[in-house]
Formats: sequence, structure tokens, C-alpha cells
Amino acid sequence: DTAVSQTPKYLVTQMGNDKSIKCEQNLGHDTMYWYKQDSKKFLKIMFSYNNKELIINETVPNRFSPKSPDKAHLNLHINSLELGDSAVYFCASSQVGKRGYTFGSGTRLTVV
Amino acid sequence: EDQVTQSPEALRLQEGESSSLNCSYTVSGLRGLFWYRQDPGKGPEFLFTLYSAGEEKEKERLKATLTKKESFLHITAPKPEDSATYLCAVRLTTSGTYKYIFGTGTRLKVLA
Repeated sequence: DTAVSQTPKYLVTQMGNDKSIKCEQNLGHDTMYWYKQDSKKFLKIMFSYNNKELIINETVPNRFSPKSPDKAHLNLHINSLELGDSAVYFCASSQVGKRGYTFGSGTRLTVV
Repeated sequence: EDQVTQSPEALRLQEGESSSLNCSYTVSGLRGLFWYRQDPGKGPEFLFTLYSAGEEKEKERLKATLTKKESFLHITAPKPEDSATYLCAVRLTTSGTYKYIFGTGTRLKVLA
């Protein structure tokens, strides 16, 4: 069973569209994250949720909105997509006091 | 400003040629240093966590060490399957929560 699964794996869309990426973890972890990896492979945190509560919201445009319906799910909704939003988005989860993150396999978003 | 720097950016080794990857950091409130391996098209995979200077962790051909300013990932007698991007990350405490900063990674290529 996949520990952290995110869908879709690939997403190609036009500028101005609204899209969502879904993430689910079956590890029982209490914290989930969204990271953006740019073309230079730099991973930068966007959001962190602990038990459905937002605890980190780095400086990202408010076009990005995370939604956590429960502890096992953290979805990312993006409004009015721009060319610069093209990147790979990773979902991850962790448990306080335990070893590092478990990452999903990523969603490659291409805005054309 | 908190910063994590990895070197070299890229490294090519012959099979069996041992080497070390470096992760240097200037941060305050360090609460752990993490090493991850990332294969193309996949999410980072957790390798090690180090918490205090002098600590060492080993897994197969990999050994991670930590000082007060940097961490090394030593690769002994590497094989082609060790080819990947190796990422380090630091965990800090800030405003009562954890914050993670990733380095940009070292792309390792091991030639048969």
C-alpha cells in the first residue's frame, strides 16, 4: 500500500484555470505538508497542517489554498494559474518525534 | 538568515570510488539534520536523522556524520544504483513550531 499518495501525477493546464491536487496518507501521521520543487530541484515548504490545523503558511500567493478535511488528507487548490506556478508539488507527512518526512511521488504541474 | 548549502552540486564517481558529500548550515535553533535520497521522478526518501555534533548513522554503503557547522554523507565503494540526488535538510524551532529548510542537493552519478 502506498504510504503517501497524491493525484494527479501530471497536470497540464492553461493560464487562468483553477486546479486541485489531492493528497492522502495512511501512516497515521499527525502532520502533513505541501512542498514546491522548482526546476533547480530546490524544495521549499508552502504549507503545514497538524491535526487539520494550519501551522505553517510560508509566503505563497493567496491563490494557493490548502484544505484538510481530516488528519489523513491535505489537498491543494490553486486559483488563476500562472506560468510561474509550473513546478513539481510534493505532499509529505510526518509524526512528531519520529523520523523524517514520508513524501508522495509528486505532481508535475505545467501551466501553458 | 538561516541557510543550508550543499556541495558539490554534481559528482561523478567510478564504481568503488569512495567520496563524501557536504551539507553546511548556518541556522539557529537546530533540532535535527536530515538526509534524503531522491530518484528522478520520485519524492525524496528518508535516509538518516542526526541530532547532535559527533553523532554518526550508517546504512549499507552510506554513513552520515554531524558537526556543529556541517554534515557529511560518506559513500563507501559506491555502486551504480547509488546514483541519485542527495538532499539534506535542517529542522529548526521557530515561534513554537518546527521549520524545515532543504539544501539544493548533490546529484551523484556512479559509473559502472
